[in-house]
Amino acid sequence: NAGVTQTPKFRVLKTGQSMTLLCAQDMNHEYMYWYRQDPGMGLRLIHYSVGEGTTAKGEVPDGYNVSRLKKQNFLLGLESAAPSQTSVYFCASSGVDWAGTDTQYFGPGTRLTVL
Amino acid sequence: ILNVEQSPQSLHVQEGDSTNFTCSFPSSNFYALHWYRWETAKSPEALFVMTLNGDEKKKGRISATLNTKEGYSYLYIKGSQPEDSATYLCAFSNAGNMLTFGGGTRLMVKP
Repeated sequence: NAGVTQTPKFRVLKTGQSMTLLCAQDMNHEYMYWYRQDPGMGLRLIHYSVGEGTTAKGEVPDGYNVSRLKKQNFLLGLESAAPSQTSVYFCASSGVDWAGTDTQYFGPGTRLTVL
Repeated sequence: ILNVEQSPQSLHVQEGDSTNFTCSFPSSNFYALHWYRWETAKSPEALFVMTLNGDEKKKGRISATLNTKEGYSYLYIKGSQPEDSATYLCAFSNAGNMLTFGGGTRLMVKP
């Protein structure tokens, strides 16, 4: 049981390049999330998904796109990377709990630098 | 955008000291308050989930309290150890699965 995995772990891009970050979970969770973590700002939600085939915007969605074609995978795309997107990206997943008590399980993070 | 504040931002203590830090959150539309522990180069891991005003949770030397009416939660660590060094995140839920995270308190425990 690997939990939540992310690939790649590190990446350096030039401004304008594109890339896709892959998140996979093996816990049969319905919900998946992409966050970015910047110094002093905690975790900010980029996009999330409430189930296969669905996606929604979070707090900071601009410059990112996502897809959830399979329940276990959640992809985050950067079409034209900018230096402001230099960050550590975390994926998380959770079950469905309308009471707000379900724990989110996090992947190990992807450190992205845009030059 | 919900405002979840944590203080202090960072804290240095000596081994054996007890310490506490604060998470402030909106007092309206409260669903749950989560605490996570985040060690450097690792993923955040859940410590506690609290839902009821007056809730207290304990795991070993770490405990947390919750006041939903005034919108704050305290995390306490008794007899800090070097292995307690980490960033402690709180996250507020006001709608099902969505969490809004605070900026974290970075704790460093010196041997």
